[in-house]
Amino acid sequence: DQQVKQNSPSLSVQEGRISILNCDYTNSMFDYFLWYKKYPAEGPTFLISISSIKDKNEDGRFTVFLNKSAKHLSLHIVPSQPGDSAVYFCAAERDDKIIFGKGTRLHILP
Amino acid sequence: NAGVTQTPKFRVLKTGQSMTLLCAQDMNHEYMYWYRQDPGMGLRLIHYSVGEGTTAKGEVPDGYNVSRLKKQNFLLGLESAAPSQTSVYFCASSRRQGVSYNEQFFGPGTRLTVL
Repeated sequence: DQQVKQNSPSLSVQEGRISILNCDYTNSMFDYFLWYKKYPAEGPTFLISISSIKDKNEDGRFTVFLNKSAKHLSLHIVPSQPGDSAVYFCAAERDDKIIFGKGTRLHILP
Repeated sequence: NAGVTQTPKFRVLKTGQSMTLLCAQDMNHEYMYWYRQDPGMGLRLIHYSVGEGTTAKGEVPDGYNVSRLKKQNFLLGLESAAPSQTSVYFCASSRRQGVSYNEQFFGPGTRLTVL
């Protein structure tokens, strides 16, 4: 029973364009949603979060949108840069625990 | 400030052998976590701790034990390793108390192969 779903295993985007990574969830009781970024041979690092009572949070080039009625969130990266090539994990938090999606590998093309 | 460190970085075990993975953090965080990452499976929580002397089961706890004798250390033990435990193991810590969302800080991972 997958509570956090990232249905796209990979995504390729031209440098300078917008990258949009999607995530769906099933549990309406999550308090926060988070995005983590992971480079090969490194641990994940926190990128951005959004409270379940918000619908948008922006931090520099990164914006997360939350659509509660659709149980859907998305991460927008504008403009995409070569260093953004990584695996992105969507995660949802409740009761001190975080449930991660399977990740989406983002390739930024030159 | 080293953050979260994990020892060892790599290990190869034979089926039935035992080992302990060590996680250490120098950020005075209350909460610590052990995850495993398998291809196509994302990160799955094995066990976690909300403070020194406490442990709790996560999503996939079978075959593992943990101990948190000191606040800065969280140990993950495999008593009798099985090939199904071949994975990359990540430790994480978080401050949690007094903050809103649970930003976890991860170690670099331990790659374990069980033959």
